[in-house]
Amino acid sequence: DVQLQESGPGLVKPSQSLSLTCSVTGYSITSGYYWNWIRQFPGNKLEWMGYISYDGSNNYNPSLKNRISITRDTSKNQFFLKLNSVTTEDTATYYCAGGLLYFDYWGQGTTLTVSS
Amino acid sequence: DIQMTQSPASLSASVGETVTITCRASENIYSYLAWYQQKQGKSPQLLVYNAKTLAEGVPSRFSGSGSGTQFSLKINSLQPEDFGSYYCQHHYGTPYTFGGGTKLEIK
Repeated sequence: DVQLQESGPGLVKPSQSLSLTCSVTGYSITSGYYWNWIRQFPGNKLEWMGYISYDGSNNYNPSLKNRISITRDTSKNQFFLKLNSVTTEDTATYYCAGGLLYFDYWGQGTTLTVSS
Repeated sequence: DIQMTQSPASLSASVGETVTITCRASENIYSYLAWYQQKQGKSPQLLVYNAKTLAEGVPSRFSGSGSGTQFSLKINSLQPEDFGSYYCQHHYGTPYTFGGGTKLEIK
């Protein structure tokens, strides 16, 4: 059974960077699938942020320009989100999700608030 | 980016009724469309992909249809556990985008 679990700081100050971790159990992130970050804003709009592939390649949403980086630690079966220069508009629930072109597996989400 | 527009934004229905939610894409996405259900405080769960293929474990009262730019999700004989929010998502290349959601409430 594939399970994903996000972890993160909960609160970040404006202009700082946010870092989130997704821990995957039940499936090796190098075996297949794309490993995504998706966020849901207050008001419930969903935004796909990007993924790291099973082979380590990346694909990012151009809306995030050069602020985003998704990396992984294959020894721990984890992947990570780093988002630079955050503003209050980055306040959202962040989900990690795995799948092919759609999202079969989701974490429970972690809420991140950007506030001074 | 491809824009996904869902309607209605909210819907009130009774147990046992049949409801249909629609999703329109701003350009041709062939059959590259998924549907998700989200319960309050929970993560979205995949219901349908490739417009009409039910995800594993999804009850047969759910059905997806459409192609090109017009799609629909039909729920026959609503059950209490079906109430929540529903989202469409195109998977015709990146960036993937989602519809704004339909909130299905109990009448």
